[in-house]
Amino acid sequence: DAKTTQPNSMESNEEEPVHLPCNHSTISGTDYIHWYRQLPSQGPEYVIHGLTSNVNNRMASLAIAEDRKSSTLILHRATLRDAAVYYCILSVGSGTYKYIFGTGTRLKVLA
Amino acid sequence: NAGVTQTPKFQVLKTGQSMTLQCAQDMNHNSMYWYRQDPGMGLRLIYYSASEGTTDKGEVPNGYNVSRSTTEDFPLRLLSAAPSQTSVYFCASSEWVKNTEAFFGQGTRLTVV
Repeated sequence: DAKTTQPNSMESNEEEPVHLPCNHSTISGTDYIHWYRQLPSQGPEYVIHGLTSNVNNRMASLAIAEDRKSSTLILHRATLRDAAVYYCILSVGSGTYKYIFGTGTRLKVLA
Repeated sequence: NAGVTQTPKFQVLKTGQSMTLQCAQDMNHNSMYWYRQDPGMGLRLIYYSASEGTTDKGEVPNGYNVSRSTTEDFPLRLLSAAPSQTSVYFCASSEWVKNTEAFFGQGTRLTVV
């Protein structure tokens, strides 16, 4: 299964943009790129996903490289509530689909 | 909407005991998943099910068993609990397509002594 690689941790100042990188060099042509985040003592929650084109929603933006071997989650204005572990995940499979998590990036937001 | 409901929230087992972690979803999703999360680690896939009546092994299936007799329920059975199975267990569900979000339960914190 294709794997993702993320930095272990990042810091950001409150109300500044945050760019969280993810490498997925072995991604296949039909694998979607998903981002989830996990707040302390909670289950993961969906942030955004995409295939080839950049995507925007109310929570974040997803920038996908042209060769699809990397992507970046962009939080436009970090708040203290955005402090969490962010997981870049590929939904892989043929016929049945599964989400394979990596180790994630722990985002610390400084007031 | 309840979403994905896991019971119990906390459980302590003795080594060798068996138990079933319950997971139910009310979104009529085809796919369901079980993950475990060890302290300070990411989630690892135990088993998943693409639809009622089908199950597949994930990354770490040893010591566990699942069944999918209804669309709503996906119970995870620990056959003979071991301390190495101390973890937080998360259940999730999604539609049976790649371009959709998965919904996670709040987790079951299991300690095996």
